Amino acid sequence: DAGITQSPRHKVTETGTPVTLRCHQTENHRYMYWYRQDPGHGLRLIHYSYGVKDTDKGEVSDGYSVSRSKTEDFLLTLESATSSQTSVYFCATKDSSGNTIYFGEGSWLTVV
Amino acid sequence: DQQVKQNSPSLSVQEGRISILNCDYTNSMFDYFLWYKKYPAEGPTFLISISSIKDKNEDGRFTVFLNKSAKHLSLHIVPSQPGDSAVYFCAAKVNTGNQFYFGTGTSLTVIP
Repeated sequence: DAGITQSPRHKVTETGTPVTLRCHQTENHRYMYWYRQDPGHGLRLIHYSYGVKDTDKGEVSDGYSVSRSKTEDFLLTLESATSSQTSVYFCATKDSSGNTIYFGEGSWLTVV
Repeated sequence: DQQVKQNSPSLSVQEGRISILNCDYTNSMFDYFLWYKKYPAEGPTFLISISSIKDKNEDGRFTVFLNKSAKHLSLHIVPSQPGDSAVYFCAAKVNTGNQFYFGTGTSLTVIP
């Protein structure tokens, strides 16, 4: 358990509006990740961060941006939400030496 | 292109019997493998892992087997309990890397 808090936990938004999901961790882990979970696709990596201001794209990064200005916070932004971005979003963290990632409880996003 | 595959979307077993969940991977560079368990409306939780230097790792009722030549791993749960009913994800990574690749998940139902 890496003390991960995601907010908001549930959100309904309209197509075309910007949305930001926040991930906050208390374990000082270096690595942070954003995944989305969809039926038939499992968990797919959107973006990840390997340090403050250091981020990289994952498998499904189109339409998403991220920022990490502090070790403890990793933000995921949908600049202009689309219905295909309706999903459950999970944040995860990992320390520098470990081989295990730990997940937050998820953020349910519905784009109507 | 899914590098980690779980070809059985669902599995039902009787309480007390063995549950066997399977996972295949295509990337020969993967050398560390993990299983996660996910209950509805919760984040995935780490269950068990195995390094490619081993072919078996055991933790209580849970055992993971790795067949590197076949690029196949399996999770055995013995005996299965109703509380084991959940979605199970396998994941893989390169030992020196920091990206985790997940399968599509298998929904296990243990029937009392």
